[in-house]
Amino acid sequence: QSALTQPPSASGSPGQSVTISCTGTSSDIGTYKYVSWYQQHPAKAPKLLIYEVSKRPSGVPDRFSGSKSGNTASLTVSGLQAEDEADYYCCSYAGGNIHYVFGTGTKVTVL
Amino acid sequence: QVHLVESGGGVVQPGGSLRLSCEASEFTFSTYGMHWVRQAPGAGLEWVAFIHYETSIKYHAESVKGRFTISRDNSKKTLYLQMNSLRAEDTAVYYCTKEKVTDGEYDKAFDIWGQGTAVTVSS
Repeated sequence: QSALTQPPSASGSPGQSVTISCTGTSSDIGTYKYVSWYQQHPAKAPKLLIYEVSKRPSGVPDRFSGSKSGNTASLTVSGLQAEDEADYYCCSYAGGNIHYVFGTGTKVTVL
Repeated sequence: QVHLVESGGGVVQPGGSLRLSCEASEFTFSTYGMHWVRQAPGAGLEWVAFIHYETSIKYHAESVKGRFTISRDNSKKTLYLQMNSLRAEDTAVYYCTKEKVTDGEYDKAFDIWGQGTAVTVSS
């Protein structure tokens, strides 16, 4: 099972929006509602931003939103702030012997 | 505040063994499924293993199946990962992470993470 495909990098100016795609297959994103997104700052543990495609855990700003269409999920960060500069990973449940597959990761730069 | 603290990482020769531990605090450990996720240097995240709160259900990634074993001791609020036959490609930071649950249903997401423990497999 290959990793989900994300663009290596994305960028935007403060206040702008950036959208990160996450492309999988009909065996993972295309079948299950269990897509999650994580933010990771350098040398820190990942932090859950989005679960079940578009739900936000308490404490996560509504600037972060998620969606899914077919085999592709997306994370949008609106109103970019300096502290949003980090790596972002998607993850999908895949069932069977695979269970979970992560994305390749996207580095977001705030210009 | 909910807390997970990993320990047990270190440098080990190829073919060697290590046991990682993850101690939980400030939540009812015995009622949650737990996972191990790893991250090789400069690389992305990789799911490694899951254990149900009742311990009888365990899943391991194909890349570690037969070599790694996840377990837990609910009385000690501790999660373990026994790693045998270690290979260079197992070099990574290993995170323990808690399964997110909403209204008794697994959300299949990881909502609490430890700080990680580094494992280096090298001769």
